[in-house]
Amino acid sequence: KQEVTQIPAALSVPEGENLVLNCSFTDSAIYNLQWFRQDPGKGLTSLLLIQSSQREQTSGRLNASLDKSSGRSTLYIAASQPGDSATYLCAVVWGGYQKVTFGTGTKLQVIP
Amino acid sequence: NAGVTQTPKFRVLKTGQSMTLLCAQDMNHEYMYWYRQDPGMGLRLIHYSVGEGTTAKGEVPDGYNVSRLKKQNFLLGLESAAPSQTSVYFCASRLAGRYEQYFGPGTRLTVT
Repeated sequence: KQEVTQIPAALSVPEGENLVLNCSFTDSAIYNLQWFRQDPGKGLTSLLLIQSSQREQTSGRLNASLDKSSGRSTLYIAASQPGDSATYLCAVVWGGYQKVTFGTGTKLQVIP
Repeated sequence: NAGVTQTPKFRVLKTGQSMTLLCAQDMNHEYMYWYRQDPGMGLRLIHYSVGEGTTAKGEVPDGYNVSRLKKQNFLLGLESAAPSQTSVYFCASRLAGRYEQYFGPGTRLTVT
């Protein structure tokens, strides 16, 4: 069984700070890992997807890394802004591409 | 391009009532998914479909049925609603061969 953990559950930082969100998974035989953003009362917006053969992906101020052997992924947000305030979720695809396990998310608040 | 849409946005049911949630996508995606999101538990896969006319069980399928009669639509049915089915339901879709999932805005269901 795959378990996905995101620590911390909540994080509050001042505007402009660089920050790292963590995602760990128990079964390293994954196909890919995806990071999402969820705003209150809204659906999920895809941020970055890392294939199992990749080590990192970048999009603007966001950088996601993947270390399969240690079962970890990190999402790095540079120069945080109040608009980055949201819940960030990671999800791993494993076990034949149809098994998807989500973490419970990290709620980020960026204080102006 | 509307992406993934869900109908209705909110619904209150009494125990034992039935209802159908509709998911529609206009991106010609082969794969479609139904998830439920509960506090502290992350998103869990209910059912999924790899193409028109095919469906399969996910992690928590009990109490739900699905149908994919048209490629663009994926229906989730509750035959006899229970309070344990109070949740936010999300639909997602993706292209075959690409693993990025696109989510709808969600349906908030309360069963009293």
